[in-house]
Amino acid sequence: QVQVVQSGAEVKKPGASVKVSCKASGYTFTKYYIHWVRQAPGQGLQWMGLINPGGGTTSYAQKFQGRVTMTRDTSTSTVYMEVSSLRSEDTAVYYCAREYIYGSFDHWGQGTLVTVSS
Amino acid sequence: EIVLTQSPGTLSLSPGERATLSCRASQSVSSSYLAWYQQKPGQAPRLLIYGASSRATGIPDRFSGSGSGTDFTLTISRLDPEDFAVYYCQQYGSSLLTFGGGTKVEIK
Repeated sequence: QVQVVQSGAEVKKPGASVKVSCKASGYTFTKYYIHWVRQAPGQGLQWMGLINPGGGTTSYAQKFQGRVTMTRDTSTSTVYMEVSSLRSEDTAVYYCAREYIYGSFDHWGQGTLVTVSS
Repeated sequence: EIVLTQSPGTLSLSPGERATLSCRASQSVSSSYLAWYQQKPGQAPRLLIYGASSRATGIPDRFSGSGSGTDFTLTISRLDPEDFAVYYCQQYGSSLLTFGGGTKVEIK
């Protein structure tokens, strides 16, 4: 069955970087885009961008351009998202999700809490 | 960027009642690219509806979606105790994806 499993919680200081992984299984990795969405405590969902695991191409939300990098490793069916220059406002749960059809997400990772605190 | 506005912010209803949730877009959205999600505390969102009106796999038929252009609706015909949660609409167009602010359906 399809599974999307993320790496564990992280605590980082302001100005640092964090890299979150998202390992997919149960389907052909290169055939479905992976998106990243974050959710600050008590807030709604915010789309960050996507990666095409097949070709490695990416598209980022304007808010995150220049500060977010998404990559993939096809040998391990894993997608990575790195956020640099962290600030306290980046404290959130970060989700990866598989795009099923027409931009909808049918399988989500369990979420990774990233806490930015001095 | 297309802004999605969900209303009401909170809906207080009793089990068995009908819930009607609205999602209004700042500009026209292709119906194919409008989805609805349910999220419970501490959990990832769950896909309910895609393409504005198609139920995702395993979603009960008490959930239905409708609408076009700038106005979309999620209807829960009879609320089950497990349906009390937050609901988000989402659109995808021109390589940009946005979510609405959410509607919380709480027990009255």
